[in-house]
This record gives sequence, structure tokens and C-alpha cells, in this order.
Amino acid sequence: DADVTQTPRNRITKTGKRIMLECSQTKGHDRMYWYRQDPGLGLRLIYYSFDVKDINKGEISDGYSVSRQAQAKFSLSLESAIPNQTALYFCATSGRQGLETQYFGPGTRLLVL
Amino acid sequence: DAKTTQPPSMDCAEGRAANLPCNHSTISGNEYVYWYRQIHSQGPQYIIHGLKNNETNEMASLIITEDRKSSTLILPHATLRDTAVYYCIVRVGRDNYGQNFVFGPGTRLSVLP
Repeated sequence: DADVTQTPRNRITKTGKRIMLECSQTKGHDRMYWYRQDPGLGLRLIYYSFDVKDINKGEISDGYSVSRQAQAKFSLSLESAIPNQTALYFCATSGRQGLETQYFGPGTRLLVL
Repeated sequence: DAKTTQPPSMDCAEGRAANLPCNHSTISGNEYVYWYRQIHSQGPQYIIHGLKNNETNEMASLIITEDRKSSTLILPHATLRDTAVYYCIVRVGRDNYGQNFVFGPGTRLSVLP
């Protein structure tokens, strides 16, 4: 969905490096999410934010941090990347009202060597 | 933990209806059933959701049993482009702080020519 963009789309990094994944949305949604997906598995929630001042840990937040710079931007950081953080990362957004259908970005494929 | 159970894989002939089952025997009265799909490694795409009545949109139909313990997603005329992993998710629909979508492993649907 072009309304949710992620950069970079692919990234290779080395163990111990700091890396930031960025997400931007033009849907005007308050809520944003970061998920990771490992091969053959479903998505697991890392962090979520219900507005700029509200950030919450998800199921697997260890080793990650986030920043909600604005309503439209939500960044995920790996302070010191490790190989088991190699995965596909998705950002998603949803509105505050109604049934909160989530809209996903195209994903970032991260390889940690 | 995902509150749903789905078969890991299914095949369907092109042009036929694809019927994807989902069990959610512990569903609560205020929880909705959502369906998403993920084509290859793209971001998950919303398909349809429902509470207790059957629902239909341009993509699919959702049939929920009277006791709400199971449901079926129907793709009426499957095409090769419908080959994807389909996720069935149950959660409270309205603004509900802290409850998020839980994506299990889903059903891998293969549409065969």
C-alpha cells in the first residue's frame, strides 16, 4: 500500500552495528506498529504507538527501540544488531475509530551478518 | 498466542471457489473475526471482517457459524494471484488499548492452473 512506506527496503549490516528502519504514512492514522516476520512464521509485534506520546512494548521488544517523531513517522532501531534479528520487518498503521483495520507497508528485509 | 487454528496449507483449482476454514472456539462475544492475506513477502493485506453475520465484499465472503466458534473465508473464483498465506485473527474491534492483531502461521493457499 503506497500510503505506508518503509525505508530501506533491503539492508545488510554487521553484528554490533546500529541500524534504523523508517516508516512513514500518509493515511492520517494515529496508530502505528512494527512487526517482524521470520521464515514460515506469522508476524510478531515489536512495538506500537497509539499517538506521538504513547509508545508501548509488544511481544518481542528486547533488542529494539522506537521513536515516534511525528504522527506520520515511526522509526525502529536496532542499537546493536545481532544475527537472530535477521528477518522481514513490517510497519503498519490503523485509525483511532471504528474497527481499526491495519494497513501494512511493503516491508524491509534485514540481514545481519 | 493466536486464538485461532487454521490448516497449514490448502490447494485449489483455478476458477473454483477456495474455502478456507478457521476455528476460534474461545472467541468472546465482543471479538470480531478478521482475515488478512500475505502474497509472497509483501505486507499483509486486509480482506474482510465480521462479528456474527455473514459478510461479503468485492474480494471475498465470510461465513461465521451460529455459535461463532468457526468461520470460513470464501474466494468465489480463485485465480493464480490469490496464491498467498491467509491469516484468520480474532480480536476486539473497537478502540481497545493494548489488544492487537496476533498473526499465527496462517494457511498457505496454492491456486493451481
